[in-house]
Formats: sequence, C-alpha cells, structure tokens
Amino acid sequence: NAGVTQTPKFQVLKTGQSMTLQCAQDMNHEYMSWYRQDPGMGLRLIHYSVGAGITDQGEVPNGYNVSRSTTEDFPLRLLSAAPSQTSVYFCASSRGQGINQPQHFGDGTRLSIL
Amino acid sequence: KQEVTQIPAALSVPEGENLVLNCSFTDSAIYNLQWFRQDPGKGLTSLLLIQSSQREQTSGRLNASLDKSSGRSTLYIAASQPGDSATYLCAVRPKETSGSRLTFGEGTQLTVNP
Repeated sequence: NAGVTQTPKFQVLKTGQSMTLQCAQDMNHEYMSWYRQDPGMGLRLIHYSVGAGITDQGEVPNGYNVSRSTTEDFPLRLLSAAPSQTSVYFCASSRGQGINQPQHFGDGTRLSIL
Repeated sequence: KQEVTQIPAALSVPEGENLVLNCSFTDSAIYNLQWFRQDPGKGLTSLLLIQSSQREQTSGRLNASLDKSSGRSTLYIAASQPGDSATYLCAVRPKETSGSRLTFGEGTQLTVNP
C-alpha cells in the first residue's frame, strides 16, 4: 500500500518558471490538501479538496492553483515561481470529511526557486 | 485566530529517560488534537489523535493527554530510545474552519542519546 505519493522529491526552478507538483493517494480518501513547511512558520495550508471537482483555498493560496479531476490525484501548480515559494511542500489525505479521521502525509517535495 | 505553541523547541535526553513534550493552543473550540512525528527529509507520521471529548490516548510507549479547557496537551514518551529521535509536531483541528484543515505548532526536535 503506497499511501500518499509525491513527485518530484526535489526540484530547482528559476524565477518565473511554472511547474506542477504531483500528489496521488491509493486509499480512496475524499479529503486531500497541500501544506508548505517553512522554518519559523510551521506548516501552513495552501489549498484543499473535499472531493473530486471541489477545491477551496487555505491560509496561503496566492501563487498556487489546484484541481481535483479524480479522487486519487491532487496536483499543485505554481503559475510563476518566486523565491518566496522556496519551501518543502507536503500533500495530505484523510478519509471522508470525518471530524476525527487522522491525516496521512506524503514525504514532501523540496522546491528551490533561484 | 488559533495559534499552537510547542515548548521546548529542542530537547536532548539520555536513552531510557521518560520525557514530556508540551503543546498549547489559544482557542479551545477544537474537534481534535493530533501528534505527529517527522524524521529528517521525510513526511509526517500520525502518532495519536485525541478527540475533544477525550482526555488521553495511548499507543505503546506513547501517551497523549488533552486538557481542552486550559488549551494544553502533553505527549509522554516512556523509556526513550535513540530511534525516538525526530521532530514531534502537534496540530489542532479548529471548529471555526471548514474541511479538515489543521493548525500546526512548530515542533519539538528530540534527540535521544545512546
């Protein structure tokens, strides 16, 4: 059972470039989300989805787009990369919208913007 | 706005010692509190989830308590081992938010010395 899989694990971009961070889960979880982790800031929610075709903004959505065409996949798009987006990005999923369902995290994508 | 604080930021103990990690949160209107473990370069692994109606949860050598009225949680690790070395994060699910978004503390970096 793979759980939550994120690709790539590492990426270096130049300012202004665009890219897509991939996230896939094989647990048939309805809820998926993207966080970024920065020193001194903890983990902050970027976007989330409560099911296929439904997405919403989190705490720090600017500069990022998401879509949810299938239950399994939740890609995160950087439209025009900026140095402030240098961070470690984590995708998470949980079963349904159940209040007390634990969240499962991927191993992260480490992104550097030059 | 919900804020989560973890003290201390770092802790170093000899092997075999019992230890307590602390987490505090500013708004008691939460659904649950979750403790995670993060190893270097890895994602987050869920350790324990305490529902707002519960006082504690146990898993092996780990025991987590929750005092919602005072906004505090502790993670007790018994008979610590070098393999317990990691960063421990606590996160609350606030009632004010939709979806399953979590608010994280910055973590306590634990080192258990052989």
